[in-house]
Amino acid sequence: DTEVTQTPKHLVMGMTNKKSLKCEQHMGHRAMYWYKQKAKKPPELMFVYSYEKLSINESVPSRFSPECPNSSLLNLHLHALQPEDSALYLCASSQNREAFFGQGTRLTVV
Amino acid sequence: AQSVSQHNHHVILSEAASLELGCNYSYGGTVNLFWYVQYPGQHLQLLLKYFSGDPLVKGIKGFEAEFIKSKFSFNLRKPSVQWSDTAEYFCAVRGIGYGQNFVFGPGTRLSVLP
Repeated sequence: DTEVTQTPKHLVMGMTNKKSLKCEQHMGHRAMYWYKQKAKKPPELMFVYSYEKLSINESVPSRFSPECPNSSLLNLHLHALQPEDSALYLCASSQNREAFFGQGTRLTVV
Repeated sequence: AQSVSQHNHHVILSEAASLELGCNYSYGGTVNLFWYVQYPGQHLQLLLKYFSGDPLVKGIKGFEAEFIKSKFSFNLRKPSVQWSDTAEYFCAVRGIGYGQNFVFGPGTRLSVLP
């Protein structure tokens, strides 16, 4: 199984809503990532978890809150987002070498 | 700090033309190198990767890339493109070591005309 599964695939939320994005992998990878990708732009790193501990936070606003409850799961909690936060949110996992990316959650903030 | 540059923002080719997309990186150490493709509306897919050994690597769909260490380059090539190759192509680097993040280039949009 070389899949990274993200849910939901699409999400529309209001600026006062609280929602969560979920990411799951069963490859035994101990590094997991959240990226944000705007249209026609490269993915931008948001967070890196290594052995379930947050190791990199790329100065992401506090309205984005990551969580790694165990080695297979990665969540991104969203609260009070802005319309400019609308983007494709990608999760990835790696074990020292290549990364496997999920299909992403396309988020629209209205 | 790591950085990746890609030579072209948008490349337009006719079917059967040859393709070369340039990628250069800056990093103070050993890296792994990757090319990802993103078809319209789809997720990132790995085209090919270089870890060590033969600097000419072959990937899926007839793509290949050459790592030239002295030039810090990892250019992507395909002898004959097809309309279905229309996509965004991202070069990426990753430092060696656990938890290192992937740094992506700005991307090159390839449009293949039928």
